[in-house]
Amino acid sequence: GAGVSQSPRYKVAKRGQDVALRCDPISGHVSLFWYQQALGQGPEFLTYFQNEAQLDKSGLPSDRFFAERPEGSVSTLKIQRTQQEDSAVYLCASSLVGDQPQHFGDGTRLSIL
Amino acid sequence: QQQVKQSPQSLIVQKGGISIINCAYENTAFDYFPWYQQFPGKGPALLIAIRPDVSEKKEGRFTISFNKSAKQFSLHIMDSQPGDSATYFCAATEGSTLGRLYFGRGTQLTVWP
Repeated sequence: GAGVSQSPRYKVAKRGQDVALRCDPISGHVSLFWYQQALGQGPEFLTYFQNEAQLDKSGLPSDRFFAERPEGSVSTLKIQRTQQEDSAVYLCASSLVGDQPQHFGDGTRLSIL
Repeated sequence: QQQVKQSPQSLIVQKGGISIINCAYENTAFDYFPWYQQFPGKGPALLIAIRPDVSEKKEGRFTISFNKSAKQFSLHIMDSQPGDSATYFCAATEGSTLGRLYFGRGTQLTVWP
């Protein structure tokens, strides 16, 4: 497909475990964004990449959250020592460049037990 | 602090009626205002967007009205259909934040047949 692909779609982890969420953006899209969406809320910005450079990580809630995009395409969001409050849907979006419309994936629903 | 305030939280409309969702913002640097539609288990999908140099934009049954002086904008869905039942998010961004979107909390729209 030509859309943004995220995996896994669902992830259940025990509190304290580390998790890794993957995002495959639309081919050729320079900009990549991660958002966190709590139940019944709008998405909240986490971080932004332009190619492989992480230009804004001001939305990451703690130093347990880490994102990378080493080759400028696929991105991984890693959460260390997960807590219950990390339970949410994590959305990835990509765009041709930063100020162009963002196309979202269907997200990864993370549940921390 | 919510950068974009959205109302109502939920909306019930009869088939064929007009659905109206309102949003307000404070940051006068915002220069792009998209609306997203989200179905359960799916990512947000761009519906329609407007820039502040126009007061209205129409695409099919969807219209954005924009009031720059009042810092408000709204989505009107004409001839609402049961298939329009979804959660709608307004959002805003400014060029200096490289495309980072600030979302409202969402409006859950139900269209009764």
